[in-house]
Amino acid sequence: DQQVKQNSPSLSVQEGRISILNCDYTNSMFDYFLWYKKYPAEGPTFLISISSIKDKNEDGRFTVFLNKSAKHLSLHIVPSQPGDSAVYFCAATGNNDMRFGAGTRLTVKP
Amino acid sequence: GAGVSQSPRYKVAKRGQDVALRCDPISGHVSLFWYQQALGQGPEFLTYFQNEAQLDKSGLPSDRFFAERPEGSVSTLKIQRTQQEDSAVYLCASSRDSGTGYHEQYFGPGTRLTVT
Repeated sequence: DQQVKQNSPSLSVQEGRISILNCDYTNSMFDYFLWYKKYPAEGPTFLISISSIKDKNEDGRFTVFLNKSAKHLSLHIVPSQPGDSAVYFCAATGNNDMRFGAGTRLTVKP
Repeated sequence: GAGVSQSPRYKVAKRGQDVALRCDPISGHVSLFWYQQALGQGPEFLTYFQNEAQLDKSGLPSDRFFAERPEGSVSTLKIQRTQQEDSAVYLCASSRDSGTGYHEQYFGPGTRLTVT
């Protein structure tokens, strides 16, 4: 069962513009959400997280927004840089296991 | 400091063979996780250790999959009688505290298993 969904397999953005990656979840028991970034042949790297008691968390160019009523979260990257090109995974947890979305491949064009 | 390391990085096995995948977590990390990532998918949870105790193995797909962490540091994921559907990247992650997603997990590079 897909409890975490990333419906856009890919996204292409021009350098300097905003990248918005979306994620939906179905399990209302999730209470902590994370975004991971993955380069080829490497493991996922933690990027930013948000607790369910918050609706926004910002870290430099990265901001995660959480809409609990819609069971939706998004990652905003602004301004986007070519080095941001990678696969981004949304993840959610509420107990011992972490559920991941299928990932969105972001390409930032110079 | 060193990150999470996994070995081998690549493994080709003939159907029916047994394989053992190793994970060296970050020193001092209490929690250790194994994930299976099929092509084009996100990582899927397999099992979780807190020190040497395997607290959750609900994600292991069959009884051919077995994981251990006998001394609370290095972990081994063993797959017996491998099948083609076992072909995937196996990711290991560790976290400094007990509990799970409340502290970010640090991933190793993965072992790509191909069963022919």
